[in-house]
Amino acid sequence: DAGVIQSPRHEVTEMGQEVTLRCKPISGHNSLFWYRQTMMRGLELLIYFNNNVPIDDSGMPEDRFSAKMPNASFSTLKIQPSEPRDSAVYFCASSLGTFTDTQYFGPGTRLTVL
Amino acid sequence: GQQVMQIPQYQHVQEGEDFTTYCNSSTTLSNIQWYKQRPGGHPVFLIQLVKSGEVKKQKRLTFQFGEAKKNSSLHITATQTTDVGTYFCAGPLDSSYKLIFGSGTRLLVRP
Repeated sequence: DAGVIQSPRHEVTEMGQEVTLRCKPISGHNSLFWYRQTMMRGLELLIYFNNNVPIDDSGMPEDRFSAKMPNASFSTLKIQPSEPRDSAVYFCASSLGTFTDTQYFGPGTRLTVL
Repeated sequence: GQQVMQIPQYQHVQEGEDFTTYCNSSTTLSNIQWYKQRPGGHPVFLIQLVKSGEVKKQKRLTFQFGEAKKNSSLHITATQTTDVGTYFCAGPLDSSYKLIFGSGTRLLVRP
């Protein structure tokens, strides 16, 4: 298996622009997680899905952030409008779905908002 | 709310020295997982501990889960430059699929 795939790997945009990050989880995994990592705040869970349904979005910073999982093999995280404080590395991870399962992280998207 | 704390935040060692990072949870954990993130990379799963007092070894790495299942440690014997990275512990939030990650310990190794 190719592992979790994320695109783009790097994104540079200007404040106010819409940003869409994409993730393809490992085939057969039922849970998908979006994380944000910064030096100041560490690794933060933004939202997670189980069987394509959003279970907990309490980590989503504000209404500018939205996430979708239209099917088992694809998810997006959208920021509209983007702000400089959104600059971070965004990771997608997937797991088989039971609470003892390990999470497999994608390579991440490094987002820079100017 | 439930918290997972790690110490130290940073550790700078001479190659060949040992290294230990400690993880403490505010609540009892059903299991604890350890991840390693190389500089510029992504977190990679190392191991999972489930049983009270469990000890597992991976070559020079020794992982331990406390008797009360509220703390854990990772010990590296005779560090090498390939051990450089940030080590995270993570425990599930109650019985959900959500993992709470510790703040991580960043290991630097002087050659």
